[in-house]
Amino acid sequence: EADIYQTPRYLVIGTGKKITLECSQTMGHDKMYWYQQDPGMELHLIHYSYGVNSTEKGDLSSESTVSRIRTEHFPLTLESARPSHTSQYLCASSVPSGITGTGELFFGEGSRLTVL
Amino acid sequence: DQQVKQNSPSLSVQEGRISILNCDYTNSMFDYFLWYKKYPAEGPTFLISISSIKDKNEDGRFTVFLNKSAKHLSLHIVPSQPGDSAVYFCAATGVANAGGTSYGKLTFGQGTILTVHP
Repeated sequence: EADIYQTPRYLVIGTGKKITLECSQTMGHDKMYWYQQDPGMELHLIHYSYGVNSTEKGDLSSESTVSRIRTEHFPLTLESARPSHTSQYLCASSVPSGITGTGELFFGEGSRLTVL
Repeated sequence: DQQVKQNSPSLSVQEGRISILNCDYTNSMFDYFLWYKKYPAEGPTFLISISSIKDKNEDGRFTVFLNKSAKHLSLHIVPSQPGDSAVYFCAATGVANAGGTSYGKLTFGQGTILTVHP
């Protein structure tokens, strides 16, 4: 069973506020990801990291930023939230494909952000 | 340009019958495909996967079929149970997504809402 945790699960804030979505995993996975999903739409990769001090932007442009100072922790920050940032944010991690042969992602339960 | 498409937004099936969820992809560099299941207010969970060297993979009630020439895959659930009601996402990865490293950067479809009626 995957051990990846996201907080907060739900967040409602006003425009202009700074927010940080936390993501932690206890599996020792090197690879971590942030996906964004709107209802009825596909998951879009917005950030990923292949290890400590490694961060890359994903396929979907996002105004958020990430950091990877520790293997187990991959927080996402929005400096000034706007209504267009309202979405569900899903954190995931994976082992290298050479170990499991699959490299499937283990997802957290998600953080649903609403910006008023 | 959506590279993974699930053209049926929803599917309704009677308990005990077969559920067939379909997925099409356009990128010929994809060589590994996965299905995820998602309940409301939860993150997706891995269900089953298939490599492009195979055309079928089975795990209990779940079977995934891959037709590389048609760039099409399907998930069969037999028999369907009410607890299977969820959103099912098809995902793909491969050389195009690897960035020269390895798998993990998945491209997802829009999802299909499966409802299994008792």
